[in-house]
Amino acid sequence: DAGITQSPRHKVTETGTPVTLRCHQTENHRYMYWYRQDPGHGLRLIHYSYGVKDTDKGEVSDGYSVSRSKTEDFLLTLESATSSQTSVYFCAISKAGSDTQYFGPGTRLTVL
Amino acid sequence: KQEVTQIPAALSVPEGENLVLNCSFTDSAIYNLQWFRQDPGKGLTSLLLIQSSQREQTSGRLNASLDKSSGRSTLYIAASQPGDSATYLCAVTYGGATNKLIFGTGTLLAVQP
Repeated sequence: DAGITQSPRHKVTETGTPVTLRCHQTENHRYMYWYRQDPGHGLRLIHYSYGVKDTDKGEVSDGYSVSRSKTEDFLLTLESATSSQTSVYFCAISKAGSDTQYFGPGTRLTVL
Repeated sequence: KQEVTQIPAALSVPEGENLVLNCSFTDSAIYNLQWFRQDPGKGLTSLLLIQSSQREQTSGRLNASLDKSSGRSTLYIAASQPGDSATYLCAVTYGGATNKLIFGTGTLLAVQP
């Protein structure tokens, strides 16, 4: 258990509303990631962070922004949610000196 | 474009059978490859990680092999059990400290008692 929590775990929202998902880790690991999982596509990287205030885009970053003001928190924001952003979102961390990634329990987001 | 493919998409076997799951990747210049397990409605659990310099890794009844030249990896599960039923995902990284994963779409395994 890498001490990763995600909140909320489930959310239903309407098109056009802003949404923020939170990933929290308890062990101060440097690298954090946001993925989305969709049928037929597997998991795809949205954004990642390699330190406080250091973030970069992944494969499917359009429509998403992230922030990391503290080591333990990595926020994913949908500025104006669309139905195509209905998905399961996973946060992951990578420990120093290890290439293994550890995943949180996921957030199921439905955009109506 | 770097792609990861897993075949078959679904597999059903009787309990006790040995089985092999396949993963292929288009760009052989990988840094490492990981196998994950995902139970329904849950997050991913890392099973095995193989560095590009390694040929295989073992953990209990699991053995993962890597053949970079052919762009393939296999996950061998010995003496399968109903508790092994899950989706198995492979993912590769192409170097750099950021360790960005590129996932396959997974194989859904059902082990029948």
